[in-house]
Amino acid sequence: NAGVTQTPKFRILKIGQSMTLQCAQDMNHNYMYWYRQDPGMGLKLIYYSVGAGITDKGEVPNGYNVSRSTTEDFPLRLELAAPSQTSVYFCASSSPPEVREQYFGPGTRLTVT
Amino acid sequence: AQSVSQHNHHVILSEAASLELGCNYSYGGTVNLFWYVQYPGQHLQLLLKYFSGDPLVKGIKGFEAEFIKSKFSFNLRKPSVQWSDTAEYFCAVSLIPRAGGGNKLTFGTGTQLKVEL
Repeated sequence: NAGVTQTPKFRILKIGQSMTLQCAQDMNHNYMYWYRQDPGMGLKLIYYSVGAGITDKGEVPNGYNVSRSTTEDFPLRLELAAPSQTSVYFCASSSPPEVREQYFGPGTRLTVT
Repeated sequence: AQSVSQHNHHVILSEAASLELGCNYSYGGTVNLFWYVQYPGQHLQLLLKYFSGDPLVKGIKGFEAEFIKSKFSFNLRKPSVQWSDTAEYFCAVSLIPRAGGGNKLTFGTGTQLKVEL
């Protein structure tokens, strides 16, 4: 099992560019999440999804969009990149109803200059 | 909204020293509690978790944590640390998930542990 995979591992964007961070899981998990990790700040939830076709905002959704057309994939889109979006992005997944542990991907390090 | 506090931001220990990392949360209801570890350059891995039952939980690599409900705390301990324990440690809390409501984690800011030989 690959678990949760993320691509790319690293990316440098110019201000105003757009990109999509890919996330996929092969564990048939219904729930998927996107976090950003900034030094000294822990992880903040950007968006989450409880199933295909259902997404909801987390704590810091501004500047991002998500979609969930399949159970396996949960891409995160940045439409107009800003320096404040420089961060490490982690995707995670979990399975209801009783399993509450989240499994994390390896992360994408994004720099916006 | 719930919040999680980790009071130690940076900890430096010598090998074989004992470790205790503090974690406090603010929420009056029933919670699930987690400690995750992030080794340098790697993704987060679950160290241990508490859902219910015995408040002293044991995790991987000799780590344990004690849930003290009256203190809203879930401190992480290890009797004797190793150089390989150098990592960042995150405490996280989630509310008991409602049906179909997902399981949103709130993370603390992390504690960077450095173990010196």
